[in-house]
Amino acid sequence: EADIYQTPRYLVIGTGKKITLECSQTMGHDKMYWYQQDPGMELHLIHYSYGVNSTEKGDLSSESTVSRIRTEHFPLTLESARPSHTSQYLCASSEYLGQGSYGYTFGSGTRLTVV
Amino acid sequence: GNSVTQMEGPVTLSEEAFLTINCTYTATGYPSLFWYVQYPGEGLQLLLKATKADDKGSNKGFEATYRKETTSFHLEKGSVQVSDSAVYFCALSDENTGNQFYFGTGTSLTVIP
Repeated sequence: EADIYQTPRYLVIGTGKKITLECSQTMGHDKMYWYQQDPGMELHLIHYSYGVNSTEKGDLSSESTVSRIRTEHFPLTLESARPSHTSQYLCASSEYLGQGSYGYTFGSGTRLTVV
Repeated sequence: GNSVTQMEGPVTLSEEAFLTINCTYTATGYPSLFWYVQYPGEGLQLLLKATKADDKGSNKGFEATYRKETTSFHLEKGSVQVSDSAVYFCALSDENTGNQFYFGTGTSLTVIP
């Protein structure tokens, strides 16, 4: 069972609306990530955070913004949604797996459709 | 730089067939290697991992061996089931790059009865 929660699971909104995708984790992980997953399934890192008040842009340019005011919370905001933002958004946090290795825990994702 | 190259799909197999999904990597350091699985409508779940050369990760009948000499981490299962239908992602994490993950493009597997 996932300890990282994303809401909503599905969202259909009109062009120009402001939206916030929520992501929360209860594991106390410092590192958190947002990925955009295109219909071809490939994952693109759009934002990450190494802790409170730390946010960085990822490999794929995105018009979204993120904030990290609390360790457990890493919301993603689109100020003005467009059809090109239609995608699956996955939130993840990084956990120590032992033997010097880190792994990701993913949320179930938010499927956003902008009409 | 770091990258992961994964066998392109989609892959369709009959139940009880043998599965191989190829994965090769490029890394600047000594990465940890992973296979993640994504079932329809869900996020990714860790399937197995290997943290050093010659390690074998295994879970739910799936196996993958970390081969440094061929920079590979191929996923195998001897007898697939319909419930294995999912998308499989190969990934690496390199401590030299802050343990950021690098994912392959994903391989869709469909198992038919």
